[in-house]
Amino acid sequence: AQSVAQPEDQVNVAEGNPLTVKCTYSVSGNPYLFWYVQYPNRGLQFLLKYITGDNLVKGSYGFEAEFNKSQTSFHLKKPSALVSDSALYFCASLGGGYQKVTFGTGTKLQVIP
Amino acid sequence: DGGITQSPKYLFRKEGQNVTLSCEQNLNHDAMYWYRQDPGQGLRLIYYSQIVNDFQKGDIAEGYSVSREKKESFPLTVTSAQKNPTAFYLCASSSLERVETQYFGPGTRLLVL
Repeated sequence: AQSVAQPEDQVNVAEGNPLTVKCTYSVSGNPYLFWYVQYPNRGLQFLLKYITGDNLVKGSYGFEAEFNKSQTSFHLKKPSALVSDSALYFCASLGGGYQKVTFGTGTKLQVIP
Repeated sequence: DGGITQSPKYLFRKEGQNVTLSCEQNLNHDAMYWYRQDPGQGLRLIYYSQIVNDFQKGDIAEGYSVSREKKESFPLTVTSAQKNPTAFYLCASSSLERVETQYFGPGTRLLVL
C-alpha cells in the first residue's frame, strides 16, 4: 500500500520569509513523489516531481522539494514566500498496480503581507 | 489553445435526479481521470480510463458512471444512487507514459437542492 501524509492542515508564513510545507510518505519500492498546487476554485497544477537522482528537486514558481529517505519525507520549500503563493498544496505519490496517483489531504498555505 | 475544460462550473441537482458533468481535452492524452474533492479529504479517484471504450473504477465509484466513446471526452454521471453528491469534481488527463503529470480542468461544483 502507498500513502502520503500532510500533517499540517494550514501553514501561515510572513511574506519574504522561507516556507516549508511538510509531507511524509509510505511507499513500497522506489518512491515517486510529487507536489501539486491548487488556487481557489481551480484545478490542480503540477509543481515538481522526484523520481530518482538528486535529493533536492526544483520546480515551478521558485519552489523546491527535498527528498529525505531516512525520514521518509518530501517537504516543499521556498526561500522567500510571496502573497501570491497562498493556495492549497497537495503532496502525491505514484504506485499501485495501475500506476495510480494518491494525493494527500492538502495543506493550506497562507502568506501574510 | 490546448487544455482541459469542464462544464458547467456550477451544477444543481434535485433529489432523485441524474446529472452529467462534462470533461473535454485537446492534449491528445490517452488517460483521463475523475476525482472528487471534499474539504479535509484531499482528492479521491472516482473512475479512470486509459483507452477509448474502456474504464476502471477508482476508490469511490459507487453512485457514479462514466463513458469514453471518444479520446477527447470523459463525461461523469452522478446518479441518484449517490447519496452525498455535494462536492467539487475535478477531471484530469495525462499521457500513459507520465501519469504523474496530470493536467486538471477548472472543476465543477455540484450542489444539491
